[in-house]
Amino acid sequence: LAKTTQPISMDSYEGQEVNITCSHNNIATNDYITWYQQFPSQGPRFIIQGYKTKVTNEVASLFIPADRKSSTLSLPRVSLSDTAVYYCLVGDGSWGKLQFGAGTQVVVTP
Amino acid sequence: DSGVTQTPKHLITATGQRVTLRCSPRSGDLSVYWYQQSLDQGLQFLIQYYNGEERAKGNILERFSAQQFPDLHSELNLSSLELGDSALYFCASSAPGVPLHFGNGTRLTVT
Repeated sequence: LAKTTQPISMDSYEGQEVNITCSHNNIATNDYITWYQQFPSQGPRFIIQGYKTKVTNEVASLFIPADRKSSTLSLPRVSLSDTAVYYCLVGDGSWGKLQFGAGTQVVVTP
Repeated sequence: DSGVTQTPKHLITATGQRVTLRCSPRSGDLSVYWYQQSLDQGLQFLIQYYNGEERAKGNILERFSAQQFPDLHSELNLSSLELGDSALYFCASSAPGVPLHFGNGTRLTVT
């Protein structure tokens, strides 16, 4: 499975856009990029998944450049409730041995 | 609500004891995954089952075992418990190609 690298923490103010970039230089052809959000003492929650270019849903956007060696999760107009740890994962959909990295702690303040 | 149900939510037990954690996957999901999350560590993959068969194994201790039953629910058995086994244990389920959906975990406290 491709190793991922993402910032340990990011701070933001309410109403701002937060962009978290994840590096995955060894991504394989069949791999998808998936982002999860985790609040304290809760299970990770699926946010968005993509393979290439741009994916958008009601919660976030995911930008993937042509070489797919990185991806950026964009959270528009964050609120206090977006304070959480965000994980970037890369895998081919079989998900066996899927290992989470340290994630990015996002703190949103008023 | 992810659709993945874990019981119990909390478990307090003493060192040396044995406990069983239960997971009911989302309807239709054949794969079940177990993860451990300690305070000072991230999510550690333990084991995956697919339709009753072990599919992948991570850093699961020999004192730990799991199984998936014909109705697809899964149990994680932890024995000879040590203080360091105190953690949140998460179960996730998925269908092929579909992202994992996690339950809200079982918090195990070993005293």
